[in-house]
Amino acid sequence: DIQMTQSPSSLSASVGDRVTITCRASQSISSYLNWYQQKPGKAPKLLIFAAYILQSGVPSRFSGSGSGTDFTLTISSLQPEDFATYYCQQSYNSPRTFGQGTKLEIK
Amino acid sequence: QVQLVQSGAEVRKPGASVRVSCRASGYTFPSYAISWVRQAPGQGLEWMGWISAYTANTKSAQKFQDRVTMTTDTSTTTAYMELRSLRSDDSAVYYCARETGTYHVCDYWGQGTLVTVSS
Repeated sequence: DIQMTQSPSSLSASVGDRVTITCRASQSISSYLNWYQQKPGKAPKLLIFAAYILQSGVPSRFSGSGSGTDFTLTISSLQPEDFATYYCQQSYNSPRTFGQGTKLEIK
Repeated sequence: QVQLVQSGAEVRKPGASVRVSCRASGYTFPSYAISWVRQAPGQGLEWMGWISAYTANTKSAQKFQDRVTMTTDTSTTTAYMELRSLRSDDSAVYYCARETGTYHVCDYWGQGTLVTVSS
């Protein structure tokens, strides 16, 4: 199975900050990397797929980059509604493994 | 609009089985796959498996292969996930999600079904 490792596991930041979350795959996954946002008690929400393509309706302050094994999710200017947990997922092969999550908290 | 509506919370004893349903609407059901993902309390997301609503082909994670059955009913546009031989560590919220495209993304999700396994 492909292991997905996110860093950091948690992060404290302020409204307006620029934040970057990293996801590393244990082997090359080309651009088969998706990012999801999850708020407490809610289902995950797709933010970015194919490493950098913004899902329809997702604000442009979210961006993704990377290919191969190293990927990043960047939020350019944090808004109050962005405080949540973020997961990367590889969809290169099965099982389509998730990272362990990054909890983004208000400083 | 696309909606996935899951069945309600379930409580089971260890060793029992549970079947979770996921009723889809707002899109052409056979044109997409359904993925199943679970989340234990306070834990991360765990991909369980995938079923094509067109061919009924399935692929499940090896850890569930012997215990999980995924099916679809195109007449009612409903997907089902049955998990057998339940253990306490199967207690989790189970999600269905529509899977789409070349990159196998889950673009719409159900609201989740809490399954509690307790003696």
